[in-house]
Amino acid sequence: TQLLEQSPQFLSIQEGENLTVYCNSSSVFSSLQWYRQEPGEGPVLLVTVVTGGEVKKLKRLTFQFGDARKDSSLHITAAQPGDTGLYLCAGNNNDMRFGAGTRLTVKP
Amino acid sequence: KAGVTQTPRYLIKTRGQQVTLSCSPISGHRSVSWYQQTPGQGLQFLFEYFSETQRNKGNFPGRFSGRQFSNSRSEMNVSTLELGDSALYLCASSSGQGRSSGNTIYFGEGSWLTVV
Repeated sequence: TQLLEQSPQFLSIQEGENLTVYCNSSSVFSSLQWYRQEPGEGPVLLVTVVTGGEVKKLKRLTFQFGDARKDSSLHITAAQPGDTGLYLCAGNNNDMRFGAGTRLTVKP
Repeated sequence: KAGVTQTPRYLIKTRGQQVTLSCSPISGHRSVSWYQQTPGQGLQFLFEYFSETQRNKGNFPGRFSGRQFSNSRSEMNVSTLELGDSALYLCASSSGQGRSSGNTIYFGEGSWLTVV
């Protein structure tokens, strides 16, 4: 059983569409990270959120940490083919655990 | 500064052989952790080293082992390879005392191992 549940598992959309992916847990985390992994490469850190309710923006990406620090969401506006990849969330709570990821495909 | 460097990037081994993978962490990082990634299981934690000592270990058989050197470089070894060991092996480094400290971890590009 995954400590962190990510949904959806797969997502295929057209360029220009908006999307949201989720990372949920029953555990409270001191911080949570989002990574993007492209095929054949290692995960690359996108953002770290620390405070409950925190919202961080990275160009077209908006990350939100839940008020209770148990869940997080990633919203992408006007998706582009370059956003294609595996999006992983990882929660810190005296240890680091990863979700299984959301595999996003953005078609031109 | 240079990121996490892993070698080799790709390798093919036959069942029963052993393999050693190498990882050089980001300069100044003393914590190194290893992960196995497969399509079916996702990212699975193998072990973590800090100052040459293994601090945490995941649920993998004893065929998987690792070590860290005084310069923080790390190696992992898999003996008696099985077909199911085919995976992307990722190394990550972090400052502070690693995963449990809440410090962000930074991944290398990984070593692709195929066992035939």
